[in-house]
Amino acid sequence: AQSVTQPDIHITVSEGASLELRCNYSYGATPYLFWYVQSPGQGLQLLLKYFSGDTLVQGIKGFEAEFKRSQSSFNLRKPSVHWSDAAEYFCAVGTFFTGNQFYFGTGTSLTVIP
Amino acid sequence: DTAVSQTPKYLVTQMGNDKSIKCEQNLGHDTMYWYKQDSKKFLKIMFSYNNKELIINETVPNRFSPKSPDKAHLNLHINSLELGDSAVYFCASSQVAGHSGNTIYFGEGSWLTVV
Repeated sequence: AQSVTQPDIHITVSEGASLELRCNYSYGATPYLFWYVQSPGQGLQLLLKYFSGDTLVQGIKGFEAEFKRSQSSFNLRKPSVHWSDAAEYFCAVGTFFTGNQFYFGTGTSLTVIP
Repeated sequence: DTAVSQTPKYLVTQMGNDKSIKCEQNLGHDTMYWYKQDSKKFLKIMFSYNNKELIINETVPNRFSPKSPDKAHLNLHINSLELGDSAVYFCASSQVAGHSGNTIYFGEGSWLTVV
């Protein structure tokens, strides 16, 4: 069965520091992978996605993620965090052979310290 | 223009009432969804419709009934509301996978509080 694991429930970083949010997936075929961000009281906004090709994908707001098939991972990174990046981050895997299903991780809450 | 819009954004109601949340997408997508986000932020799919046809129906009480009058609309009706129904409900849509891939677009959520 497909699943997504985000091992870190909560992460705190200082403003200007680098960030890496972990995501591991379980899926038998080549996955479609996504990162979404949810600011407090807001909906989910797509940060970036991976379908095929270059395993390092660039997204909005200076985020990037790297797909590593051997590790079944799709970690999100940002070289320098801004206070406005404080939010909830969700990794998701899409499968389009079982009814267009998306599976979300449980989210990682990011706190940014000034 | 908002791609996926849902109304109302906030809803406070008493136990036992019946309420509806409406959703519309102007992206021309074929597939629409309802997700529930609980107090721990966990997102769980409830329903998925493709071209007005129900294709995913997770384990959801039958007090929840989705209705899709056309492929641009997917409404959620909830009967006999219970305290445990308090959550954020997200509508979403996506196109079936193609060369451009597939991305799910979310509405801004409907915050339902049952008192």
